[in-house]
Order: sequence, then structure tokens, then C-alpha cells
Amino acid sequence: SAVISQKPSRDICQRGTSLTIQCQVDSQVTMMFWYRQQPGQSLTLIATANQGSEATYESGFVIDKFPISRPNLTFSTLTVSNMSPEDSSIYLCSVGRAMNTEAFFGQGTRLTVV
Amino acid sequence: DAKTTQPNSMESNEEEPVHLPCNHSTISGTDYIHWYRQLPSQGPEYVIHGLTSNVNNRMASLAIAEDRKSSTLILHRATLRDAAVYYCILSQAGTALIFGKGTTLSVSS
Repeated sequence: SAVISQKPSRDICQRGTSLTIQCQVDSQVTMMFWYRQQPGQSLTLIATANQGSEATYESGFVIDKFPISRPNLTFSTLTVSNMSPEDSSIYLCSVGRAMNTEAFFGQGTRLTVV
Repeated sequence: DAKTTQPNSMESNEEEPVHLPCNHSTISGTDYIHWYRQLPSQGPEYVIHGLTSNVNNRMASLAIAEDRKSSTLILHRATLRDAAVYYCILSQAGTALIFGKGTTLSVSS
């Protein structure tokens, strides 16, 4: 298993500002992913955080809006840039291992943009 | 990605078995069938997964049809804590999970 610590757990931010969300895992993992869950909706994959290279973004998500870093095998950050109220969501970090099909999720960061 | 179809919602009584169905008629030979659940205000948690054979663990059982075009998650004795959104997901090893809308399970005492 993997224990994921996500910070902050929640935040209220002014529109036009940026927030960086941290994801720390208690063991080395091959794969890290970032998801968004809008109110009352299911999870949507934002990107795969690749260690040592640029993140791979899903359709509808761009690096300028959601820059991601992954400096090592236990840590990643997601920044939500130039926020608007439409960015109000829960952002979740998920990890997995290449040869293992089980994934683990953080508790999420609840972001409210006012 | 291969898609799954689940009922939007289901209801159960406490201590009764629950059978949550999932259809995945376009499943490929290398797709694993995963089930995750999301309790209120929490991140999703792994429930069970399988490839071809039925699977059992401490949380649930997974029954997979012989043609693999459908599966059923079985909670043997529902508790109030099992009230959650249950997601049936097809995925291959080492790839991201793509979530559908899932089934919202309500459990009454």
C-alpha cells in the first residue's frame, strides 16, 4: 500500500491568484496522477506526472493553467494558475506502480475560488 | 478507453447482500476490471479487481461473466459505512484510471 499526504486539505483563494498543491508519498512510486472532481461530479484525469520529464496532459488541460512538477519518486506538485470560480473543485493526487493495477488516492484538496 | 455502464443508484438494507452490476461489452483481453468506491468527503479507495476469474477479498467479491462483458461486485453484508459511490473501471496495468459516473449506493438501517 501507499500513504499519500496532500497539502493543503482545503483553501479559499481570490480569483486571479495561484495555488500550489503538494502530494507526498511514503514510498517510491512509478506513477503519479492528478485528478479534478468538480462539485457533484466524478473524477476527471488532469495529467500524469512523469519523474524527470514534462507531465502528460489530458485533453482540455494545459500546462500553462496546471503546471506540474515531479522532482523525485515520492513527491509532486500541481499548481492551479490564474484561478477563476470555475476552478473551484477537489483536486486529488493518485499513485500506482507500473506492474501493479491497484491505485491509491490522497484525501484531496478542496479549493474554493471567490 | 473501454467504457463501462452502471446504474446511477441502488438501495440496500443493512446486513443484506448487495449486487452491483457493471456492463463492459467492449472490454479487451488485457483490460483488468477494477472496482473503487468513494465515501463522502474522501478520496476513492480500492475495493477489488480481476481479469478473468472470480475474486474474493475481505471487502467484497467480484464475479466476472465468462465472456467478460459484464461483472458484479458483491458486498456480502452491507453496513451503513458501505454507503458510497462505486466505480467500475476498465484499465491496464500501469495506466491511469478513467472514472465514469459510478453507482451511488444507499444503505438503510
